[in-house]
Amino acid sequence: SQTIHQWPATLVQPVGSPLSLECTVEGTSNPNLYWYRQAAGRGLQLLFYSVGIGQISSEVPQNLSASRPQDRQFILSSKKLLLSDSGFYLCAWSVVQANSPLHFGNGTRLTVT
Amino acid sequence: GDSVTQMEGPVTLSEEAFLTINCTYTATGYPSLFWYVQYPGEGLQLLLKATKADDKGSNKGFEATYRKETTSFHLEKGSVQVSDSAVYFCALSDQGMRFGAGTRLTVKP
Repeated sequence: SQTIHQWPATLVQPVGSPLSLECTVEGTSNPNLYWYRQAAGRGLQLLFYSVGIGQISSEVPQNLSASRPQDRQFILSSKKLLLSDSGFYLCAWSVVQANSPLHFGNGTRLTVT
Repeated sequence: GDSVTQMEGPVTLSEEAFLTINCTYTATGYPSLFWYVQYPGEGLQLLLKATKADDKGSNKGFEATYRKETTSFHLEKGSVQVSDSAVYFCALSDQGMRFGAGTRLTVKP
């Protein structure tokens, strides 16, 4: 069966520090991969999605970036965090077939202080 | 572009009450529609889905019918339990997955 791992579960970082969140998927090949952010009391904002190694599409311009160095690995990064980057970050995967449901990781709670 | 609008919460119900969470959508194509549930401190889980007009998705006592004429996909459950307390998200998938803002449900014993 397929599983998705996301870490760390919680993270507290000072303003201006770098960020690296990692997500890996097991049990499937060539998945579509996604990063979402959920701010407190708000819905989900799609940040990045990837349909293959090295292929990243950005939905919202900001100081975050994403990379996909391997088929089932998706990394969210920042060189310098802002206070507004605080939130709940969710990684998800889906099969390539159109309109397939997403399968989410357990999320990372990021607090920028 | 495609979008989803769902009723604002929070919603507070007593155990065994009837639940309806409204969801309407705007789409240029023929999207699939989904309801996801998020329990405290966790990621989202797929609750149910419908892929075409008049389809009914159901799971764990929850139901939603894809209504093309009213562009709606309302979530219903006949008798809620305390364990149903969570945030519920309506979503559509056409060119990517778009989520509503979420509705927090609290069920009191």
